[in-house]
Amino acid sequence: DAMVIQNPRYQVTQFGKPVTLSCSQTLNHNVMYWYQQKSSQAPKLLFHYYDKDFNNEADTPDNFQSRRPNTSFCFLDIRSPGLGDAAMYLCATSKARGTETQYFGPGTRLLVL
Amino acid sequence: GENVEQHPSTLSVQEGDSAVIKCTYSDSASNYFPWYKQELGKRPQLIIDIRSNVGEKKDQRIAVTLNKTAKHFSLHITETQPEDSAVYFCAARVSGSARQLTFGSGTQLTVLP
Repeated sequence: DAMVIQNPRYQVTQFGKPVTLSCSQTLNHNVMYWYQQKSSQAPKLLFHYYDKDFNNEADTPDNFQSRRPNTSFCFLDIRSPGLGDAAMYLCATSKARGTETQYFGPGTRLLVL
Repeated sequence: GENVEQHPSTLSVQEGDSAVIKCTYSDSASNYFPWYKQELGKRPQLIIDIRSNVGEKKDQRIAVTLNKTAKHFSLHITETQPEDSAVYFCAARVSGSARQLTFGSGTQLTVLP
C-alpha cells in the first residue's frame, strides 16, 4: 500500500559529489515536502511545493535544490554534499495547502564519505 | 515564528503503565496539533491530532489534551505495550495558513516488558 515512495532507501556519496534523491506519490496530493532529519532530532522542513509553486524555508542552505516535474514526482538535489549533510531525508505529501495530515515516505538515509 | 518544546526527551515505563508526553507552543494563533510516532528506521506516522476547538480527543488507548490558555498539549498512552516503544513528535501549525508544521524535539518512549 505504498503511497509515498522514496528511492533509494540508502545513498552513499562522496564529499562534494552531487546527489539526487527522489520521491513519488500515488495519492495525487497537491503538496510535497522535503524534510531533513538528523539522529535523535525532529524533522526539519527544507522546502515544499504547492503544485508548481516552490516555497523555500529561510534557513535552507543554497546547496539544497528541488524539482517537481509533475504532480507525482519530486526530487531533492544536493549540489555539493558536506559531511554535515549526512541525515535521513523524508518526503511527505498533503492533499492541499490548508489540509493538515502529512503522509511521510520511508526516507532516504544519506551517508557522505 | 512558532516554537514547540517537548518533554521529556526520554521516557521509560513498565508495560501496562501509562505514559504522558507534554508539549508547549509559543504562537497563540496555532490551532492544529498532531502527534507522530516514528519507530526506529521507519517513517513518522500520524497517530492522533487535535484542533483548538476541542479540549480532548481519544482513540482507544491514546488521548490528547489541549489547554489553549496555557498553550500546552499532551499525549496520553494508557496500558502501554512493547510495540508502543518509539519516538513521538508533537507539532503545531496555524490551520489553513501557508505556515507549515513546527515539530517538537521528540520523546523516546521505551516500554519495558
